[in-house]
Amino acid sequence: EAGVTQSPTHLIKTRGQQATLRCSPISGHTSVYWYQQALGLGLQFLLWYDEGEERNRGNFPPRFSGRQFPNYSSELNVNALELEDSALYLCASSPGLAGGPFNYNEQFFGPGTRLTVL
Amino acid sequence: LAKTTQPISMDSYEGQEVNITCSHNNIATNDYITWYQQFPSQGPRFIIQGYKTKVTNEVASLFIPADRKSSTLSLPRVSLSDTAVYYCLVGDPQNSGGYQKVTFGTGTKLQVIP
Repeated sequence: EAGVTQSPTHLIKTRGQQATLRCSPISGHTSVYWYQQALGLGLQFLLWYDEGEERNRGNFPPRFSGRQFPNYSSELNVNALELEDSALYLCASSPGLAGGPFNYNEQFFGPGTRLTVL
Repeated sequence: LAKTTQPISMDSYEGQEVNITCSHNNIATNDYITWYQQFPSQGPRFIIQGYKTKVTNEVASLFIPADRKSSTLSLPRVSLSDTAVYYCLVGDPQNSGGYQKVTFGTGTKLQVIP
């Protein structure tokens, strides 16, 4: 069974540009989570999508946005890139809200997208 | 979600048992303790979860005292490949009604030395 996949692996942008990161969850999972992992800061929760809707949002400015498509894949968009946006962006998935009880503490992570802003 | 506190880093020699302790003084009744492992340039991986006393799987053991205000992840006979960051987090695994999010801290960086 394929795991969570993310693309691209690496992305290099300049200040002010926009970045789009993509994530495909494990088959059958409807929840997708996005995290930012900047150097030395651990994982910071960004966004949670389930069944196409944004369910929760971390403490990030509005220029971080995303969406979830009907096939449950997801996109993270970062507008007006700043130098401090350079980080590893991780996507995770889990069975969703409509699938009945599951372990909300267990998420399945992808390998991440390394975003570098110059 | 309950706040957790764990050491920033630890060193251990190969073959030794490693114990990483996490404090979670404000753990709620329905919260479980979960540990993740993250290798460099990879996403975290769920390794173990427990509610009380002791849980053991093929990777690790988790010890939780009666008051549940702390927990200890135990890695038996570590090897160089166990060098990773280990995250402790607490949350209600059955919180199907709310907008749950899993909160990671900075974790404990374990360095295994030959």
